[in-house]
Amino acid sequence: AQTVTQSQPEMSVQEAETVTLSCTYDTSENNYYLFWYKQPPSRQMILVIRQEAYKQQNATENRFSVNFQKAAKSFSLKISDSQLGDTAMYFCAFPLNNNAGNMLTFGGGTRLMVKP
Amino acid sequence: KAGVTQTPRYLIKTRGQQVTLSCSPISGHRSVSWYQQTPGQGLQFLFEYFSETQRNKGNFPGRFSGRQFSNSRSEMNVSTLELGDSALYLCASSTVPSPEAFFGQGTRLTVV
Repeated sequence: AQTVTQSQPEMSVQEAETVTLSCTYDTSENNYYLFWYKQPPSRQMILVIRQEAYKQQNATENRFSVNFQKAAKSFSLKISDSQLGDTAMYFCAFPLNNNAGNMLTFGGGTRLMVKP
Repeated sequence: KAGVTQTPRYLIKTRGQQVTLSCSPISGHRSVSWYQQTPGQGLQFLFEYFSETQRNKGNFPGRFSGRQFSNSRSEMNVSTLELGDSALYLCASSTVPSPEAFFGQGTRLTVV
């Protein structure tokens, strides 16, 4: 069974600095997607970034990038130049089967606070 | 393009009652999934509908059910409400076979 673990329940970072959120997962699949979602106080889950396991290159979206280590089953999210609007819960997510992005298992989340 | 719309945003129900939540997916999206979010259990997958058929189901009791209409709108029903059903219920839609899901803002259900 696929499981996702986020070992950091809470983190804080100063505005403009860099922070890295950790995620490990377990799967027997070889090809799959991994996702990071952000949930601000408005509660809406917003897709931050996705990684395809068959791609060796780490995904990047503006200030967000991942460090994907397939052999170690590690998928960390780096936020550069942190902004106050980055304050939110961050969830690492993995498709439960068939790479269906609409059937996800989530980690427990990391609450990130960006301080001015 | 309008996003995923969930109604109502907030609900208060009494133990033993039943409740129906609604989700309108993004236009063109035929897959709709439901998730329950609680402080204790986190985010858990409830079920997924595609073309009016339930394709996948999570580990929830039969009190939780759903359906999907021909326009892809989906409803979720919880019967005989328990205090532990208090949660944020999130709906997500996607095209198939896209791996990306788009979420609504959720319905906050409180059972008293």
